[in-house]
Amino acid sequence: DVKVTQSSRYLVKRTGEKVFLECVQDMDHENMFWYRQDPGLGLRLIYFSYDVKMKEKGDIPEGYSVSREKKERFSLILESASTNQTSMYLCASSSSGLAGFREQYFGPGTRLTVT
Amino acid sequence: AQSVTQLDSQVPVFEEAPVELRCNYSSSVSVYLFWYVQYPNQGLQLLLKYLSGSTLVKGINGFEAEFNKSQTSFHLRKPSVHISDTAEYFCAVSGGYQKVTFGTGTKLQVIP
Repeated sequence: DVKVTQSSRYLVKRTGEKVFLECVQDMDHENMFWYRQDPGLGLRLIYFSYDVKMKEKGDIPEGYSVSREKKERFSLILESASTNQTSMYLCASSSSGLAGFREQYFGPGTRLTVT
Repeated sequence: AQSVTQLDSQVPVFEEAPVELRCNYSSSVSVYLFWYVQYPNQGLQLLLKYLSGSTLVKGINGFEAEFNKSQTSFHLRKPSVHISDTAEYFCAVSGGYQKVTFGTGTKLQVIP
């Protein structure tokens, strides 16, 4: 079974803090993704990575950065958290090939609250 | 550019009744289409996908969807729902090399 794990289920941070969200997958997948999920807006892609040290901006990259130093780990960084980044963050991975062709496997999500 | 529209944000239905969740898409290229389900406090999991071939696609838990190219639709159906089907359902589209674009989701509420 493919497993995607996220470091925290719930996180509370203060405005201006630097926040790290970690994601690990155990299926040797090339592609990894970070989404945020907000009511009424669905899932929006923040960043994705198709290989170690490679990254591409998604639809809403502003205020975020990512790091992929190892194939199994993809980190999302909020350099200076703001209240409008309060959201559910979902990590996903998929095997190689066309980015949209393959099924994505999702982690359970991290609900981040910025106060 | 590609986009997905799920017109119904919530769909209440009685247990054992049939249900249809609607999804329309737009894309300038041939598409791959997906339905994902999200149970409360969980991530998304794949229900079914259309890549090519037969336009009627069967998925897990008794769900099926029909790809209609002329109407640019990919509606999800189940002939008889159970309480355990209560969840949020997301339609998604990809033009192959493009990233996957998700719809805004439809919450299915099954009423006992």
